Amino acid sequence: NIVMTQSPKSMSISVGDRVTMNCKASQNVYNNIAWYQQKPGQSPKLLIYYASNRYNGVPDRFTGSGYGTDFTLTINSVQAEDAAFYYCQRIYNSPYTFGAGTKLELK
Amino acid sequence: EVQLQQSGAELGKPGTSVKLSCKVSGYNIRNTYMHWVNQRPGKGLEWIGRIDPANGNTIYAEKFKSKATLTADTSSNTAYMQLSQLKSDDTAIYFCAIPWAYWGQGVMVTVSS
Repeated sequence: NIVMTQSPKSMSISVGDRVTMNCKASQNVYNNIAWYQQKPGQSPKLLIYYASNRYNGVPDRFTGSGYGTDFTLTINSVQAEDAAFYYCQRIYNSPYTFGAGTKLELK
Repeated sequence: EVQLQQSGAELGKPGTSVKLSCKVSGYNIRNTYMHWVNQRPGKGLEWIGRIDPANGNTIYAEKFKSKATLTADTSSNTAYMQLSQLKSDDTAIYFCAIPWAYWGQGVMVTVSS
């Protein structure tokens, strides 16, 4: 089974900083990756699909990149409302495995 | 507007079963897969399985093959998940999703005697 490894587990960032978080697949998943934002008490919200496509209404400070086994979610000029957990997920094929998440905190 | 409305919180005793529902409006479930995901308290997201409502075909994550049973009723546009032989570590929030932009609000299942 594919394992999705996210790093770092958590980060503490100031408003206006640039953030990069990573997701590594244990085998080639091509571009079949999605990224989600989840805040406490809420359902996950789709940010990026097929590695680099921003979902409708997602601010353009969120950018996804990568192919194969290594993927990155970048948030340019982090805003206070971006404090959340971020998850990557293999999509398109079963099993649709999630990474363990990265917690983004604001200083 | 696509909406997924899940049934209310459940309290189940160990060894019993619960059946969760996910009623979809604004989208015909025949035209998609319906997925289920859980989240244990303080933990990350875990994919459980998916059903093709058009023909009933299912795929499960290995660890849920004997735990979860997915069904769907296209006449009411509703997906269901039954969890059997409940144990304390089944305590979690369970989400339904239409891949991958549309999610239910989640339902809390608590297993306790």
